[in-house]
Amino acid sequence: ILNVEQSPQSLHVQEGDSTNFTCSFPSSNFYALHWYRWETAKSPEALFVMTLNGDEKKKGRISATLNTKEGYSYLYIKGSQPEDSATYLCASNTGNQFYFGTGTSLTVIP
Amino acid sequence: KAGVTQTPRYLIKTRGQQVTLSCSPISGHRSVSWYQQTPGQGLQFLFEYFSETQRNKGNFPGRFSGRQFSNSRSEMNVSTLELGDSALYLCASSLETDNSPLHFGNGTRLTVT
Repeated sequence: ILNVEQSPQSLHVQEGDSTNFTCSFPSSNFYALHWYRWETAKSPEALFVMTLNGDEKKKGRISATLNTKEGYSYLYIKGSQPEDSATYLCASNTGNQFYFGTGTSLTVIP
Repeated sequence: KAGVTQTPRYLIKTRGQQVTLSCSPISGHRSVSWYQQTPGQGLQFLFEYFSETQRNKGNFPGRFSGRQFSNSRSEMNVSTLELGDSALYLCASSLETDNSPLHFGNGTRLTVT
């Protein structure tokens, strides 16, 4: 069983603040790292799929980086908005299956 | 394009019964995987099907089984239900399981009493 850890577990920020979370995963058997956003009463939605060491991806105010050698990924949100409130999941894909972290729950206070 | 559809949305069963959950993937997606989420746990991988074949299986007892049909629709079956099987069950489809993102359904909330 592969251990994927996310921190912090939860986070409250003021609207307009920038924030970041961490996903750590075993660097062995690495194939790809996925980030998902899961809003209440909806299904998880893919944000990024990252495969290469040093990868950086961006979608609007959200960006992510990947370090496969040390086994971590950061997700950044610039200028948080209330609609960013959600649980952010990361998952390590070993090529055989996905191992998900328990997520970071973000609440953006207007 | 229609998303991933899971039925039913909610289910209440009694210990010892069995249950079948259904998942219709996005058109053209041949990979379907199933996940269980219980409070405080991350999504736990159950199994993955591709072109009607189980390709990978997670660490769950044999009471959990699944299958995939020629149209890529998938079913998951849990026999002899236990209280601990109460969970949200999500299915996800993708084009492949390498660099393709997972597309999730809304899940089936199973309660075992």
